[in-house]
Amino acid sequence: AQKVTQAQTEISVVEKEDVTLDCVYETRDTTYYLFWYKQPPSGELVFLIRRNSFDEQNEISGRYSWNFQKSTSSFNFTITASQVVDSAVYFCALVGGGSNYKLTFGKGTLLTVNP
Amino acid sequence: GAVVSQHPSRVICKSGTSVKIECRSLDFQATTMFWYRQFPKQSLMLMATSNEGSKATYEQGVEKDKFLINHASLTLSTLTVTSAHPEDSSFYICSALRGPSGGEQYFGPGTRLTVT
Repeated sequence: AQKVTQAQTEISVVEKEDVTLDCVYETRDTTYYLFWYKQPPSGELVFLIRRNSFDEQNEISGRYSWNFQKSTSSFNFTITASQVVDSAVYFCALVGGGSNYKLTFGKGTLLTVNP
Repeated sequence: GAVVSQHPSRVICKSGTSVKIECRSLDFQATTMFWYRQFPKQSLMLMATSNEGSKATYEQGVEKDKFLINHASLTLSTLTVTSAHPEDSSFYICSALRGPSGGEQYFGPGTRLTVT
């Protein structure tokens, strides 16, 4: 069975602070993919990143960065210099090689960035 | 990026009626689409996998006779909530799978269903 744990239910920061959203996953598949999605108040899911299990390189995209560590089964997401527009629910998700493409979502972390 | 649309975005219906929600992949063909349900402040729960030209595969606990799924073409899947009840009120989101294994799912904007 696959599982994604986002232990932080809610995080509140002040604008310009850095914030890290944690994601820990469980899977028996050797090939799998990890994702992060953003869900603003409008409800539409916005794709942020996909990472396959064979690529442990960290990735940076503007103010966003991701730290993938297979040794700890974690795929953490950091927002640098947070902005009010970053306020949203962020979901970490996993799809295993043998799961028929089904995404397993974490419970999400509500990030509130205050001005 | 790929675009997936959903229609309607919001619908209010009376208890006992049926509601159809459409999910379209606008710029790619999707043999596989997924339907999710999301209650307030909760995560997305997969309801079913919709495969073009074949019957949908439902997750455990989801009533297939209540949530009818039809994937009649490579760009359209529909979810019909039959004999809707207030407890069916929720946010329904579809996604379309693009690409090979591990390919990205592109999500629609969601449909907020309210049953009165």
